[in-house]
Amino acid sequence: TQLLEQSPQFLSIQEGENLTVYCNSSSVFSSLQWYRQEPGEGPVLLVTVVTGGEVKKLKRLTFQFGDARKDSSLHITAAQPGDTGLYLCAGDPTTQGNTGNQFYFGTGTSLTVIP
Amino acid sequence: GAVVSQHPSWVICKSGTSVKIECRSLDFQATTMFWYRQFPKQSLMLMATSNEGSKATYEQGVEKDKFLINHASLTLSTLTVTSAHPEDSSFYICSAPGTGLNQPQHFGDGTRLSIL
Repeated sequence: TQLLEQSPQFLSIQEGENLTVYCNSSSVFSSLQWYRQEPGEGPVLLVTVVTGGEVKKLKRLTFQFGDARKDSSLHITAAQPGDTGLYLCAGDPTTQGNTGNQFYFGTGTSLTVIP
Repeated sequence: GAVVSQHPSWVICKSGTSVKIECRSLDFQATTMFWYRQFPKQSLMLMATSNEGSKATYEQGVEKDKFLINHASLTLSTLTVTSAHPEDSSFYICSAPGTGLNQPQHFGDGTRLSIL
């Protein structure tokens, strides 16, 4: 069951443009993670957000966790071709935090940045 | 940091062959590992949860006899695709949960399986 819906599913933009990817759910998550994956490789963790309303920045990437911990967004400023990849959000539904249970992955956003 | 090693990275074989994929936690113990299947530009689909010392837990719609999972030790889980057919061609990824509160999963690099 996909509890996390990502939008858009596909995004193709020109280098230098800004973009936002959304990850929405009706469920509450104790934490939410964003991953980036390139073809033929495993996902690579970008960030973990834990507190409702939390904002984290990683260079040109800004991540926000919704106040109710049901949604998150990823904003990329001045996108570069190296940002191309599949972006996945993943939520931990357990109320006590990660106890080794599975994470629920979002539906994914495939980003292409054109030089 | 914690590393998960997955082998092989690429397999091409004939229809009807059984293929084994290994997932090892290199510097930590993993009582649980997860196996995912992924199609191009799509998200990860959880196939099963591998449990050390007990039977795997399969997600709905995943054939247990087709995808055999064995978690023989605290550092090794294997996925065997039995009598593979072209429709089994996909990218398979394993992961192990991190230890501690709100820790991320540790992913293998995946296995590209192509059945001719």
